[in-house]
Amino acid sequence: TQLLEQSPQFLSIQEGENLTVYCNSSSVFSSLQWYRQEPGEGPVLLVTVVTGGEVKKLKRLTFQFGDARKDSSLHITAAQPGDTGLYLCAGYAAGNMLTFGGGTRLMVKP
Amino acid sequence: ETGVTQTPRHLVMGMTNKKSLKCEQHLGHNAMYWYKQSAKKPLELMFVYNFKEQTENNSVPSRFSPECPNSSHLFLHLHTLQPEDSALYLCASGLAGGRVGEETQYFGPGTRLLVL
Repeated sequence: TQLLEQSPQFLSIQEGENLTVYCNSSSVFSSLQWYRQEPGEGPVLLVTVVTGGEVKKLKRLTFQFGDARKDSSLHITAAQPGDTGLYLCAGYAAGNMLTFGGGTRLMVKP
Repeated sequence: ETGVTQTPRHLVMGMTNKKSLKCEQHLGHNAMYWYKQSAKKPLELMFVYNFKEQTENNSVPSRFSPECPNSSHLFLHLHTLQPEDSALYLCASGLAGGRVGEETQYFGPGTRLLVL
């Protein structure tokens, strides 16, 4: 059983569409991070959310941390082919070790 | 350029071979990590080194042996691996000792390992 469940696992959309990716858990996290990983590369940190209810924006990406700090979402507005990649959420729970979700593989078609 | 480099980028080995993966970070970090990323599982933490001391061994089989000679270098020695060990092995580094839950980890590009 995964500590962090991401949905959907795969998403294929057309350029210009909006999308939301979810990261859910029954556990409380002190913080959640979102990474993007492109083929042949390691994950790159996009954002860290720390406070329950926190919303952070990074250009067309909006990240939200749930009030109870058990879940998070990533919303992309007007997706572009450059957004294609594997999106990973990861959380710090007990022991200060980072636990990763299974990832959402996004493909944005021109 | 993330400041974390890994060599080799690709490796094919037989089950009786011995090989080593190398990771180097130029970011002045004091913590280094090995992760395994396989097709059907989430990223799995294998080993953690804080200030060159191994602080975490996440139930990894003994055929994987880490070594951290200094805060900039991390090795993963491989011996008698199994085909199911084929995966992308990622190294990461970070600054430990800060606020809990806010450490940023910087990942290398990984070594794609195939065990035949």
